[in-house]
Amino acid sequence: GESVGLHLPTLSVQEGDNSIINCAYSNSASDYFIWYKQESGKGPQFIIDIRSNMDKRQGQRVTVLLNKTVKHLSLQIAATQPGDSAVYFCAESPPYSSASKIIFGSGTRLSIRP
Amino acid sequence: KAGVTQTPRYLIKTRGQQVTLSCSPISGHRSVSWYQQTPGQGLQFLFEYFSETQRNKGNFPGRFSGRQFSNSRSEMNVSTLELGDSALYLCASSNSRGDTEAFFGQGTRLTVV
Repeated sequence: GESVGLHLPTLSVQEGDNSIINCAYSNSASDYFIWYKQESGKGPQFIIDIRSNMDKRQGQRVTVLLNKTVKHLSLQIAATQPGDSAVYFCAESPPYSSASKIIFGSGTRLSIRP
Repeated sequence: KAGVTQTPRYLIKTRGQQVTLSCSPISGHRSVSWYQQTPGQGLQFLFEYFSETQRNKGNFPGRFSGRQFSNSRSEMNVSTLELGDSALYLCASSNSRGDTEAFFGQGTRLTVV
């Protein structure tokens, strides 16, 4: 079955440093991946997505890298700010399902040290 | 443009009761999905509705059901509540016209006592 998982449940980063959050997936047929950010008391918020025909995609201060050989996904946040404190989920939309069915990983809580 | 609206925000129910949660998607979005979030199991997909029809279903018992109305608003119902049903229930909408981004509401926090 489908499965996505994160490597670390918590990550502490110095303000201004770059953050890297890692994720592994099990289904080699997976073709669409998404990163979500969830702040306390709020629903998940879309950050960035990537399809399996790409290795890298950049957004504003965020980059997602996809390594299909080892089934690994990472989210890089540049110049981490206090507002980046949240739980980050990697997720996939399984093959042949609608994009609205999302399988979430377990989440990494990112905390920022001043 | 209003976001996804879920009501109520908080709910306390007793074991054995039933509950109905409501979700109003972003205007123009026709797909509504429901998720359950708990500390132990994380975020789990419940079901998705599109044009008033259930299009996808997760691995939840039949006590969990839903429906979608012609205006795309959706409700989910949980019957015979159990303590383990205590969770944050999230709704997400998308336009399903090729765009893949799903927008989440703030959720309904259900506590079963």
